[in-house]
Amino acid sequence: DVKVTQSSRYLVKRTGEKVFLECVQDMDHENMFWYRQDPGLGLRLIYFSYDVKMKEKGDIPEGYSVSREKKERFSLILESASTNQTSMYLCASSSQGGETQYFGPGTRLLVL
Amino acid sequence: QQPVQSPQAVILREGEDAVINCSSSKALYSVHWYRQKHGEAPVFLMILLKGGEQKGHEKISASFNEKKQQSSLYLTASQLSYSGTYFCGTATGANSKLTFGKGITLSVRP
Repeated sequence: DVKVTQSSRYLVKRTGEKVFLECVQDMDHENMFWYRQDPGLGLRLIYFSYDVKMKEKGDIPEGYSVSREKKERFSLILESASTNQTSMYLCASSSQGGETQYFGPGTRLLVL
Repeated sequence: QQPVQSPQAVILREGEDAVINCSSSKALYSVHWYRQKHGEAPVFLMILLKGGEQKGHEKISASFNEKKQQSSLYLTASQLSYSGTYFCGTATGANSKLTFGKGITLSVRP
């Protein structure tokens, strides 16, 4: 079974803190994605990566950056967390040319 | 631009049928359907590629009308396990990213 794991299920941070959200997949997938999910807005793509050290902006990249130093790991970084970044963050992966995205369980981030 | 899903919410009794729609303003290459149960990760249901094909998985099937740039998900003889939020994701090319709709909450009651 494909497994996508995320470092934390719940996280509480203070405004201005630097926040790291980590995602690891065990299926040797080339593609990895970060989404945020907010009530009434669905899933919105923040950043994605098609290969190691490669990254592409999604629909809402402002306030975020990413890092992909290894194929299996994709990190989402909030340089200076703000209250409007309180959300559920979902990581996903898929194979190159693959059609199915496999999602992790999500990290619910609260920024106070 | 996000695809538009309709209706906004669906409440059914066990055994009833439902249709969920997904429409885009862009020409589509594929439509993907996912279901997310409360507190869980979204799970892939099926993908439809342009060509107007229809696919099925048990009692859940879907169609894709590329001319109308819309897809419909059909749930037949609904079961309690069908409850959840259904998302469609659309892609404009073979290797392009998915853009998801806002989701539709479907509740199946005994």
